[in-house]
Amino acid sequence: EAQVTQNPRYLITVTGKKLTVTCSQNMNHEYMSWYRQDPGLGLRQIYYSMNVEVTDKGDVPEGYKVSRKEKRNFPLILESPSPNQTSLYFCASSLRGTGSYEQYFGPGTRLTVT
Amino acid sequence: AQSVAQPEDQVNVAEGNPLTVKCTYSVSGNPYLFWYVQYPNRGLQFLLKYITGDNLVKGSYGFEAEFNKSQTSFHLKKPSALVSDSALYFCAVREDPGGSYIPTFGRGTSLIVHP
Repeated sequence: EAQVTQNPRYLITVTGKKLTVTCSQNMNHEYMSWYRQDPGLGLRQIYYSMNVEVTDKGDVPEGYKVSRKEKRNFPLILESPSPNQTSLYFCASSLRGTGSYEQYFGPGTRLTVT
Repeated sequence: AQSVAQPEDQVNVAEGNPLTVKCTYSVSGNPYLFWYVQYPNRGLQFLLKYITGDNLVKGSYGFEAEFNKSQTSFHLKKPSALVSDSALYFCAVREDPGGSYIPTFGRGTSLIVHP
């Protein structure tokens, strides 16, 4: 089954404790991205990757890191989480990064930073 | 720069009635427009997209959307709403040519279909 998976689905952590949210897709997509969803703000892109070893900032990259060492994986790293990073996070992928290609989303990771 | 607006936070409709969820956009070039749906505790699912050609686009679950260039709108429609259509709907835009690699999403519209 074609899908994007994320782990963990739920995470409660404390300020400053490094964490990683994993994302994997099995569709051989070139483009992958991370979003955060906050009430009243919709979806905002954090980082994206056009292909292996190619990453770039989205609209709200501060406090986040990513890497793309393999085509299928695109982990999101919070090196020193803060309470304002409490949010619902989605990973997404699409065949290409440009133009008319729709995105496929993972199920989401609900992060709470206390 | 590209932008998209969903002017209604919530739309209420009775089951069996037609529904419309509104979306307007702004781009410098030509738009690629998308609708996604988010059911509770799920990720977003692609519904339909406009690239070029016919202004009426048909998608999943009986939804369709009408592209109107003069009004810069891409409203989502369905002739007869179901209770199971209740969800959060997002419009998104990408600009062509040379468009941003970052699609812009609207804030979302909560659709509530009453039995």
